[in-house]
Amino acid sequence: DTGVSQDPRHKITKRGQNVTFRCDPISEHNRLYWYRQTLGQGPEFLTYFQNEAQLEKSRLLSDRFSAERPKGSFSTLEIQRTEQGDSAMYLCASSLLDTNTGELFFGEGSRLTVL
Amino acid sequence: AQSVTQLGSHVSVSEGALVLLRCNYSSSVPPYLFWYVQYPNQGLQLLLKYTSAATLVKGINGFEAEFKKSETSFHLTKPSAHMSDAAEYFCAVSDRSGGSNYKLTFGKGTLLTVNP
Repeated sequence: DTGVSQDPRHKITKRGQNVTFRCDPISEHNRLYWYRQTLGQGPEFLTYFQNEAQLEKSRLLSDRFSAERPKGSFSTLEIQRTEQGDSAMYLCASSLLDTNTGELFFGEGSRLTVL
Repeated sequence: AQSVTQLGSHVSVSEGALVLLRCNYSSSVPPYLFWYVQYPNQGLQLLLKYTSAATLVKGINGFEAEFKKSETSFHLTKPSAHMSDAAEYFCAVSDRSGGSNYKLTFGKGTLLTVNP
């Protein structure tokens, strides 16, 4: 079990550029979540997938954000036309549908800095 | 909607002293509650969870938490702090009201520093 992995760990970009983050969940986990964490705050929910279906999106997820999980395995989070306010840590988590406790397993995050 | 309030954004203790990190929740249904720890530039690691079994929950690294329904609290404690406990701690509540979403809502976190 290799845990949840995220790539890249760090990304520095200029305002207006597009960025994409990848998340590989724990292999048998069918739920995948994206959270955003800004400095001094707790993680905030962005969206989640059950297998390949995106079942919920937060109002934080503006039109510039898009997430996919095409084959129900890895997921990508793309931010178009980045803004300085997008600077944050983007956390991916996964879980098993069959567990009844809601425990999430987190990756180490992808830190985005928009200049 | 569920929410979590962590009292105290920063707690400082001496090595060997009691650690107490406070968490109060609001939930329309019996909650599942969690404490996660985050070390610098890392993701979140589960410390312990309450899932409606025993109200006193023991976790990793000597931490424990007690669910008190009457106080809507789930405070985290450790009898004796160690330097390696320095980190940020997050309390979270699981959204069970929608059936099976199990989306976690986090508090703002408490930064624990341990002084030698």
